[in-house]
Amino acid sequence: KAGVTQTPRYLIKTRGQQVTLSCSPISGHRSVSWYQQTPGQGLQFLFEYFSETQRNKGNFPGRFSGRQFSNSRSEMNVSTLELGDSALYLCASSLIGGRNTGELFFGEGSRLTVL
Amino acid sequence: SQELEQSPQSLIVQEGKNLTINCTSSKTLYGLYWYKQKYGEGLIFLMMLQKGGEEKSHEKITAKLDEKKQQSSLHITASQPSHAGIYLCGAGSLDSNYQLIWGAGTKLIIKP
Repeated sequence: KAGVTQTPRYLIKTRGQQVTLSCSPISGHRSVSWYQQTPGQGLQFLFEYFSETQRNKGNFPGRFSGRQFSNSRSEMNVSTLELGDSALYLCASSLIGGRNTGELFFGEGSRLTVL
Repeated sequence: SQELEQSPQSLIVQEGKNLTINCTSSKTLYGLYWYKQKYGEGLIFLMMLQKGGEEKSHEKITAKLDEKKQQSSLHITASQPSHAGIYLCGAGSLDSNYQLIWGAGTKLIIKP
């Protein structure tokens, strides 16, 4: 059974650019959640999607957006990049999501560096 | 808002020694998850605890949830180099049905 796949694994952007990250969940999983991880702030929740609907959003500015497709694959986009957006972005999938989700399966992450 | 506090922030342990990591919440925990992360990689699920007083073990790792469901501990017996990494606790948020909150993590280093 294939795990959660995130692409790209590494990327470097400059301030003001935008970036799109992709996440392919485990087959059959309908929930995809996104997290930002930095040394200073730890693991911060960005948003969660279930069956193409955003069910919850963390405390991030509108520059951070996402979507989920009918095959459960998800993308997140960050526009007008700032230096502080440099982080490891993690995607996690599960069958039902939510706070009673059971095991979350994480991808390896996309490491974004903003120069 | 609900927060999870992990202690210690970092830990250096001689190989073969035992260690304990704690995760504390100011509010009742709605499910408690333990994950392990190698630097710069994704998180690997270790255990999930739901009931007060529950205890689970896997190989040399034991996790417990106290009766009041406000504190969990992760205990590693006879530590090995493979145990090195960052340990994170997560819990269902009381403020949202669709969110997990996370502790800041405990960095574990095993000295040979």
